[in-house]
Amino acid sequence: AQSVTQLGSHVSVSEGALVLLRCNYSSSVPPYLFWYVQYPNQGLQLLLKYTTGATLVKGINGFEAEFKKSETSFHLTKPSAHMSDAAEYFCAVGSSNTGKLIFGQGTTLQVKP
Amino acid sequence: GAGVSQSPSNKVTEKGKDVELRCDPISGHTALYWYRQSLGQGLEFLIYFQGNSAPDKSGLPSDRFSAERTGGSVSTLTIQRTQQEDSAVYLCASSMQTATNEKLFFGSGTQLSVL
Repeated sequence: AQSVTQLGSHVSVSEGALVLLRCNYSSSVPPYLFWYVQYPNQGLQLLLKYTTGATLVKGINGFEAEFKKSETSFHLTKPSAHMSDAAEYFCAVGSSNTGKLIFGQGTTLQVKP
Repeated sequence: GAGVSQSPSNKVTEKGKDVELRCDPISGHTALYWYRQSLGQGLEFLIYFQGNSAPDKSGLPSDRFSAERTGGSVSTLTIQRTQQEDSAVYLCASSMQTATNEKLFFGSGTQLSVL
């Protein structure tokens, strides 16, 4: 079975500050890991994904995430927050043999001017 | 179509009534997924179709929930004898192969309110 835990349902940062959204996963098989973002009044869209290979993954809009197997984590970071980053972020886990994604509870990112 | 289309966008129903939610995936996408989004619960997996068959329906909450897909395209999620706890946003998503190989494209969802 697979599961995802996102630590913190709400994160607030100032514009220009570091963004760190935490995600821990549980998986009995090698995981595929994803971050999806839902901007206000829009559908979810893929931000970045890790399947195999390089553990540091870069996505759209300056976001990146690092797969750390020893910590079962896939935290999302961005060096400098923009107002336009305000959204809900979802971490998800899948595997090559399931075909489906299991999502976490989501983290709402607020960016203050 | 250009994207995943869901209808209706909003549905208000009375407890005990049956509802049908429709999803039109992107043309050519073989995989189709239904998720439920409730406040504070994130996205809850319901069912996954590959073509017209459902290899994984483990997320359906009870036997009141069912789904089908016809012609490898349109899918319908049916909830019988709706209950207030069924109130949520029901999201449909599709992908070229599977969600783990190709990115998911999500629809805007159906907001279901059971009174």
